[in-house]
Parts: sequence; structure tokens; C-alpha cells
Amino acid sequence: AQSVTQPDIHITVSEGASLELRCNYSYGATPYLFWYVQSPGQGLQLLLKYFSGDTLVQGIKGFEAEFKRSQSSFNLRKPSVHWSDAAEYFCAVAPGYSSASKIIFGSGTRLSIRP
Amino acid sequence: EPEVTQTPSHQVTQMGQEVILRCVPISNHLYFYWYRQILGQKVEFLVSFYNNEISEKSEIFDDQFSVERPDGSNFTLKIRSTKLEDSAMYFCASSGPSGNEKLFFGSGTQLSVL
Repeated sequence: AQSVTQPDIHITVSEGASLELRCNYSYGATPYLFWYVQSPGQGLQLLLKYFSGDTLVQGIKGFEAEFKRSQSSFNLRKPSVHWSDAAEYFCAVAPGYSSASKIIFGSGTRLSIRP
Repeated sequence: EPEVTQTPSHQVTQMGQEVILRCVPISNHLYFYWYRQILGQKVEFLVSFYNNEISEKSEIFDDQFSVERPDGSNFTLKIRSTKLEDSAMYFCASSGPSGNEKLFFGSGTQLSVL
């Protein structure tokens, strides 16, 4: 069965420091992978997605993620975080681009930024 | 960027009462969804809706739940007789004409059942 694991419940980093949020998935084939962000009082916003091709994916707000098949991982990175990046981040997996109903979300990682 | 709008942002109700959560999807979208997130748990799919009918639903979406598109703009989720365990954040989402586009999520309605 498909699953998504985000092992870090809460991460605190200093403003300007680099960030890496971990995501591991379990799926038989190559899945479609997503990162969403939820800022306080806001909806879920798509940061980036991976379907195929280049395993390093660029997203909005300066985020990127790298798909590593051998490690079943899709970690989110940002070289220098800003205070506005404080939010909840969700990794998600789906078996197909059109299978929105089958999107499975991870439990989320809350990111706090230290001034 | 276009937005999905949800109202109210927070709803408090007594156990056994009916609630209606409202959503205004993006105007040219044709696929609509409800998800929920119980505090501390994952975001879970509830139901998808297309062409005025449910296209898919999860095990969570039992007979106490229903969805409706009463007019050309609103998309509602009704919980007939709320239970304590229905307390959660409910997210509405919509996607474009083919259903293959990305989902746009609303900011959610926090439902508290007392």
C-alpha cells in the first residue's frame, strides 16, 4: 500500500540557514510526488511536483526537491530560509496525475524560524 | 492567483446537529473535492464531485455526509448529525477543466463539535 512518511514533526531553523525537510514514500511504481505548504490561516498551496524527467525539481518561493528512487525519498530543500517560510509542510504521493482522490498526504512537518 | 473560498473559517456546533460547510471553487473549474484533517493526523480524502455527481468517495464519507452544488458557484458539504469525532479542519479543493491540473485548496473550515 502507498504511504508517505515525514519523520520530523517539528523543525526549527535560524533565518538565513539552509533547510531540508525529509519525505519517504512507499509505492510499487514511480509515484507522482508533491510538496504542499500551509501557512497559518491559509489553504494548502502546491510548492512543487515531480512526475518524471529531471529528478531535481524547482518550485515556487525558492524551494527545490530531489527525487531519489534508490532511497524512496523526495526531500524538500531551500538554501536560505526567510521568516515567512514558517508554516506546515506536507509531502504527498499519488499513483497518477489525474488521481487526485488517491493523493496520500504525509503527517506534515511544522517549520519554525528562529530570528 | 485564483482562490478557493471557504466559509465559515470556524464553526462550532453541538453533537447531533447538522452543519453545512460552504466552498466557492475557482470559477472555471469542474472538479471539486473535500478533504479533512483531524488534529495531529494526516489530510484525508473525503469525496470528489464532477458533473453534478459524486465521482469517488472514501470510507470516511458515510451516509451522514452529503455534497451538493446548489448553484453555479457554491459547493457544500453537509454533515447530517455531527459526532465528536467529526471535529476537524475541512478543506475544499477544485481543479480545472480536465481534472488533470493541480488542485487548488481553500483555507479550510475548522469544525468543532461539542
